[in-house]
Amino acid sequence: AQKVTQAQTEISVVEKEDVTLDCVYETRDTTYYLFWYKQPPSGELVFLIRRNSFDEQNEISGRYSWNFQKSTSSFNFTITASQVVDSAVYFCALSEEGYGGSQGNLIFGKGTKLSVKP
Amino acid sequence: NAGVTQTPKFQVLKTGQSMTLQCAQDMNHNSMYWYRQDPGMGLRLIYYSASEGTTDKGEVPNGYNVSRLNKREFSLRLESAAPSQTSVYFCASRARGRVSEQFFGPGTRLTVL
Repeated sequence: AQKVTQAQTEISVVEKEDVTLDCVYETRDTTYYLFWYKQPPSGELVFLIRRNSFDEQNEISGRYSWNFQKSTSSFNFTITASQVVDSAVYFCALSEEGYGGSQGNLIFGKGTKLSVKP
Repeated sequence: NAGVTQTPKFQVLKTGQSMTLQCAQDMNHNSMYWYRQDPGMGLRLIYYSASEGTTDKGEVPNGYNVSRLNKREFSLRLESAAPSQTSVYFCASRARGRVSEQFFGPGTRLTVL
């Protein structure tokens, strides 16, 4: 059965600190996709990154970086030099290969609420 | 492009009332989804439509019905609202293909008294 676990319910840091949000997933598929979404206090969901199971290269985008490790079934997200605008709930999600109509369906973790204080 | 739009933004219902949440996308996406978000629960899939003319149940379909009116529009209906359906509802859409991400609407905050 597929599952996404974000063990950190809430994290609080002071501005400029680095912070890592953990994501552990379970799947029996060999082909799958992992996503991170951001939900700021305004409530909308913003897509951040997609990674497929065959691409274990780490990704860096500005202050954001993602570490994908198949050996530990983890897809962790690090924010370097955090800012107050990074305060949000962050969701990790899994999409399995699926068949027919269920392709692309997302299984979400419960989210990690990040508070960055000035 | 407006992306994914949802109406209404807020709604208060009494137990037993019915209502329809509307969703439309202008990105020519094939697949559309309805989720509910409850505190501490993440997003849970209610129903999805892989393409125009098809709909399927997700994780939590009880108490809901959906209609894929055309390629652009996907509505969610509560026939007899219950307090347990108090939630924030998100509609999403996705282009064809395995790798594409879902794009979300702004959400509808529903309270059932």
